Amino acid sequence: NAGVTQTPKFQVLKTGQSMTLQCAQDMNHEYMSWYRQDPGMGLRLIHYSVGAGITDQGEVPNGYNVSRSTTEDFPLRLLSAAPSQTSVYFCASSKPSRRNTEAFFGQGTRLTVV
Amino acid sequence: AQSVTQLGSHVSVSEGALVLLRCNYSSSVPPYLFWYVQYPNQGLQLLLKYTSAATLVKGINGFEAEFKKSETSFHLTKPSAHMSDAAEYFCAVSGGHGGSQGNLIFGKGTKLSVKP
Repeated sequence: NAGVTQTPKFQVLKTGQSMTLQCAQDMNHEYMSWYRQDPGMGLRLIHYSVGAGITDQGEVPNGYNVSRSTTEDFPLRLLSAAPSQTSVYFCASSKPSRRNTEAFFGQGTRLTVV
Repeated sequence: AQSVTQLGSHVSVSEGALVLLRCNYSSSVPPYLFWYVQYPNQGLQLLLKYTSAATLVKGINGFEAEFKKSETSFHLTKPSAHMSDAAEYFCAVSGGHGGSQGNLIFGKGTKLSVKP
């Protein structure tokens, strides 16, 4: 059981470049989300999706774009990378039918923008 | 709006000593609370969760947490620290942005160091 898989694990971008962080889950979870982790800040929600075709913004959505065409995949796009987007990115999935449900996290993508 | 405060960004204990990591929450509705652990260069792993069924919640690796509504607290404890407990610990409450129960609001984290 792979759970939540994120690719790549590491990435270095130049300012202005674009890229897509991939996230896939094999647990048939309808709910998926993206967080960024910065030192001393905990994890902050970027975007989330409650099902295929439905996405919404989280706490820090600027500079990021998402789409959800399938239940399994939830890619995060950086449109024009900035040094402020240097961070560790985590994808998570859960079942929305239980209010106290556990979120399962991927291993993270460490992104550096130079 | 929900929020989480973790007291102490770094906690250091000796091996065999009591571990106490503090978490206070703010919530306008009955909260659903979680503790996650993150080992270096890893993702987050659930330690335990409060589901409103019992105020004392037992988790993995010998950890437990007690929900105290009067104190709005959900502190994490372990009677005897082990070297392998060294990690960063995050307290979280659900029902964050947009009110969706799937969204978690995290505290800033507490790094636990264990001295031999």
